[in-house]
Amino acid sequence: GQSLEQPSEVTAVEGAIVQINCTYQTSGFYGLSWYQQHDGGAPTFLSYNALDGLEETGRFSSFLSRSDSYGYLLLQELQMKDSASYFCAVITGRRALTFGSGTRLQVQP
Amino acid sequence: DAMVIQNPRYQVTQFGKPVTLSCSQTLNHNVMYWYQQKSSQAPKLLFHYYDKDFNNEADTPDNFQSRRPNTSFCFLDIRSPGLGDAAMYLCATSPKGAGTDTQYFGPGTRLTVL
Repeated sequence: GQSLEQPSEVTAVEGAIVQINCTYQTSGFYGLSWYQQHDGGAPTFLSYNALDGLEETGRFSSFLSRSDSYGYLLLQELQMKDSASYFCAVITGRRALTFGSGTRLQVQP
Repeated sequence: DAMVIQNPRYQVTQFGKPVTLSCSQTLNHNVMYWYQQKSSQAPKLLFHYYDKDFNNEADTPDNFQSRRPNTSFCFLDIRSPGLGDAAMYLCATSPKGAGTDTQYFGPGTRLTVL
């Protein structure tokens, strides 16, 4: 089976940088994805890492270390609209996502 | 715009009364997924189709069934809803097979069981 661990809650102020960590245990690992979900909304794709290293998309970056079974999502220049839940998810050979329990990010003024 | 559409957005049913949720997509993606998400929890995969190939998660209750009559549509049938089945049901699609990197989610159907 698969298991993922991420912090349940993170608080930061506008303009700051925050890092959300994710550790995983899985078999047949293809990659690690990150999704954002606002309250009452659907998850939306943020990033995907299949190989070790950093992927940057605007204010968001994601990192993967396959040898450490570890990844993180880095959010820079935080804005109030970034307040949401962030899920890491592993992709296995079964073409399916297994989500972590989610990290609730609160951005304060 | 190409998208994933779920109907209805809100569904109320009675305990034990069968209910069907629908999902359609204009993305022409091979893979369609159904997730259950309860309040403050992660989405939990129920099953998925790769074309017509049905894949059921081992812990998905028998009460949940799915149909995919064609590429565009997928249905979730709950035969006898219990109070514990109240949740948001999310449909998602993906353009690839193994190693897919992006899933596109619909807005979800919030199911209430009275």
